[in-house]
Amino acid sequence: DGGITQSPKYLFRKEGQNVTLSCEQNLNHDAMYWYRQDPGQGLRLIYYSQIVNDFQKGDIAEGYSVSREKKESFPLTVTSAQKNPTAFYLCASRASSNTGELFFGEGSRLTVL
Amino acid sequence: QKEVEQDPGPLSVPEGAIVSLNCTYSNSAFQYFMWYRQYSRKGPELLMYTYSSGNKEDGRFTAQVDKSSKYISLFIRDSQPSDSATYLCAMSANFNKFYFGSGTKLNVKP
Repeated sequence: DGGITQSPKYLFRKEGQNVTLSCEQNLNHDAMYWYRQDPGQGLRLIYYSQIVNDFQKGDIAEGYSVSREKKESFPLTVTSAQKNPTAFYLCASRASSNTGELFFGEGSRLTVL
Repeated sequence: QKEVEQDPGPLSVPEGAIVSLNCTYSNSAFQYFMWYRQYSRKGPELLMYTYSSGNKEDGRFTAQVDKSSKYISLFIRDSQPSDSATYLCAMSANFNKFYFGSGTKLNVKP
C-alpha cells in the first residue's frame, strides 16, 4: 500500500538528548513537510522540502534539523536546543505543484522526561 | 494576529443534525482552501479541497469559500457519530506553505 510511514509512534527522551524521527513515503511525492501539533495550536510548520537535497525553514525551525538525501525520506532531528520538544509530530507529503492535497503520516508522539 | 482563526469548540450535536464549521483568515493571497478531518492520535486526512471562491459538494459535505469576507465554511449534513473528530481548515497561497487553523473538535451524539 502507498503511504507515509512515521516511526517511532511513541518516543521518550531525557532532556539534553537529540532524537531523530523517521518519515518515509512510497508515493513518489516531491514535496515533504514536518509539522508540530500542540493542543489548541493547530499544526505549525517546522521544515519543508520541495525537492531532494533542498529544504527550507518553516515558522518554528529553531531547535530542529532535517535532511533530504533521498526522495522518499525526510528525517527530523529534535535537538537539545529545542526548549519545549514534547509534542505530536506529523510528516506530510504532496504530489506536485498543482495540488494542495497533503498526505499525512500517523504521527510520532515525543515526550521529554 | 494568526494567519488562520478557528473556533476550537468543542461542538456537540445530536445525530442527524447539520453541522457548520468555520474559519477566518487574514491573508488575501490565499487561494487554495482545504478541510481535514483528524481522529484522535491519528494523522489528518483530506476531506475537501476548493480553489478560490464558491461552493463544492461531496456527499454529505459542502465547502464554501467567501474570499471577499475571508471566511470559509464546512457543512456536514445528516451528521453521524463516526463524524466525531477534530476538523482542521487549511489554506495556501502557492502550495509552498500551508497554514492550518487550530481545529474544531466535533462530537456527534447517538
